[in-house]
Amino acid sequence: SQQGEEDPQALSIQEGENATMNCSYKTSINNLQWYRQNSGRGLVHLILIRSNEREKHSGRLRVTLDTSKKSSSLLITASRAADTASYFCATVTGTASKLTFGTGTRLQVTL
Amino acid sequence: GAGVSQSPSNKVTEKGKDVELRCDPISGHTALYWYRQSLGQGLEFLIYFQGNSAPDKSGLPSDRFSAERTGGSVSTLTIQRTQQEDSAVYLCASSLGREGYREQFFGPGTRLTVL
Repeated sequence: SQQGEEDPQALSIQEGENATMNCSYKTSINNLQWYRQNSGRGLVHLILIRSNEREKHSGRLRVTLDTSKKSSSLLITASRAADTASYFCATVTGTASKLTFGTGTRLQVTL
Repeated sequence: GAGVSQSPSNKVTEKGKDVELRCDPISGHTALYWYRQSLGQGLEFLIYFQGNSAPDKSGLPSDRFSAERTGGSVSTLTIQRTQQEDSAVYLCASSLGREGYREQFFGPGTRLTVL
């Protein structure tokens, strides 16, 4: 079963614009991770934010976490055509190590 | 260094046949995971191995699914008597440790099609 929802389901922007994706989850978490998937195959880890953190940066990525609202957002600044992919949030809960994924956002960045 | 590898990359089989999917994790990674991705169900956890501990099989959808990990390295996911609803991309991942604070490194997946 999936932990939660992501929105939007699909997002189309022009190169240079910022892209924001949101993730909501249902249960308390240890951490939340964002992954990117190209062409429906392997996923690539982008960033991990722990439950006691509120914001984290990595290059052009900025992730926020609001545990009171059980939500997270991923901001990609100055997007590039190469950012075109599906983006998934995934949560780790309790003592489990498995990832529980959201439904994903398909991002299309056009020139 | 080498990443997680999976074989075959694509597998087409007939309903009722058994299939074996293989995963080679990153050397030194003690944790290994199997997930599957399908249009209807999204990304789902199947099974998790950590060292010599008993695997977490809580995500296996039926007793037709089983997995083993030999020598703490290579893993094989076996699906017996395949059904059309088993069609999906099967993804393997590995990570350094048992804690959920580690990022997982994914292989390219095996696309399984059951006719």
